[in-house]
Amino acid sequence: QQPVQSPQAVILREGEDAVINCSSSKALYSVHWYRQKHGEAPVFLMILLKGGEQKGHEKISASFNEKKQQSSLYLTASQLSYSGTYFCGTALTGGGNKLTFGTGTQLKVEL
Amino acid sequence: EPEVTQTPSHQVTQMGQEVILRCVPISNHLYFYWYRQILGQKVEFLVSFYNNEISEKSEIFDDQFSVERPDGSNFTLKIRSTKLEDSAMYFCASSEEQSRRDTQYFGPGTRLTVL
Repeated sequence: QQPVQSPQAVILREGEDAVINCSSSKALYSVHWYRQKHGEAPVFLMILLKGGEQKGHEKISASFNEKKQQSSLYLTASQLSYSGTYFCGTALTGGGNKLTFGTGTQLKVEL
Repeated sequence: EPEVTQTPSHQVTQMGQEVILRCVPISNHLYFYWYRQILGQKVEFLVSFYNNEISEKSEIFDDQFSVERPDGSNFTLKIRSTKLEDSAMYFCASSEEQSRRDTQYFGPGTRLTVL
């Protein structure tokens, strides 16, 4: 069963913040976040493992709540380059397990 | 920085024809994957490959599909008799076995158009 992402779409003005959520009904081993621009391949952003970790990458950070099986991606002080579709991919085990992707969140950052 | 490469970038074929999509995974990676994305939809898992055999496949990956690692660098996806609904972007990905984090890196994709 695929993870559920919310919201489906969001429009921001440059400098605003956004949160994208990814929920699963299954116990997850890891959550992988990707950003995809139109016509391009998904680009890896970060991975979170079970254990409830949180990590950051400049102005993009993420958390994983193991009790809720929910991950959140935080985009702060958004830039035009943040525009794209954000997908979470979930894995039930490690060691080369497949990723099951959510339906994506379309993010558009405007001036 | 090492990256996954795929050829061709765009393939147009007639329904019923065979196509082979090629990928060169990152050199020290041991797990390989094929995903596909129908226009405007989410990325879907097709198959994973490890130690020269399929480790998992989805219901999409039926008898018309096959994968092969013909040499030490290439990883191929073959569709024996293409259908209209096979039109999609096909992504190859690879990951390290030893890394606990199992990050999957995607190639640029092959856009397959079946007429």
